[in-house]
Amino acid sequence: LAKTTQPISMDSYEGQEVNITCSHNNIATNDYITWYQQFPSQGPRFIIQGYKTKVTNEVASLFIPADRKSSTLSLPRVSLSDTAVYYCLVATPERQLTFGSGTQLTVLP
Amino acid sequence: EPEVTQTPSHQVTQMGQEVILRCVPISNHLYFYWYRQILGQKVEFLVSFYNNEISEKSEIFDDQFSVERPDGSNFTLKIRSTKLEDSAMYFCASSGRTGSTEAFFGQGTRLTVV
Repeated sequence: LAKTTQPISMDSYEGQEVNITCSHNNIATNDYITWYQQFPSQGPRFIIQGYKTKVTNEVASLFIPADRKSSTLSLPRVSLSDTAVYYCLVATPERQLTFGSGTQLTVLP
Repeated sequence: EPEVTQTPSHQVTQMGQEVILRCVPISNHLYFYWYRQILGQKVEFLVSFYNNEISEKSEIFDDQFSVERPDGSNFTLKIRSTKLEDSAMYFCASSGRTGSTEAFFGQGTRLTVV
């Protein structure tokens, strides 16, 4: 299973754009890059998935370079309620998800 | 919006007792999972279930654990003889779209073994 590396923690201020970068040097051809968010005492929540290039949905964008060895989750204009742990995973659809330690994002007023 | 529901939200049990954690996945989903998270630690995969059988399981999922989908709507995790180290938050998840890594997680059951 491909391992991911991401910052342990990040701080930001309300209204700013936050970019969290993740490296996954050993990503396999069948793997997708997927990001989850987790609030304390809650289950993880899917944010976005991509295979290559750029993907955007209503909450985030995901940038993936051509070599797919890294990815960047972009959260536009964060608010206090975006304070959470963000997990970068490489995963094969329908199979188990392997969570790392994630990035604790703290949004300050 | 459909959601995965888990009961109970909190269960306290004595060491050595059997517990059953219950989950109702989203109704048209085909893939079901159990994960656990010990306080302050990572979310760990336990088992996945598809087409009425286990499709993957981790080393944590030993003979003390079992899963069942008894009636086409519920999905249960049984721990036969609980140990102190089984204390954790247990999350059920389901997914329904092929080609997707999106899983919907429940709110979890906090299991405390005393």
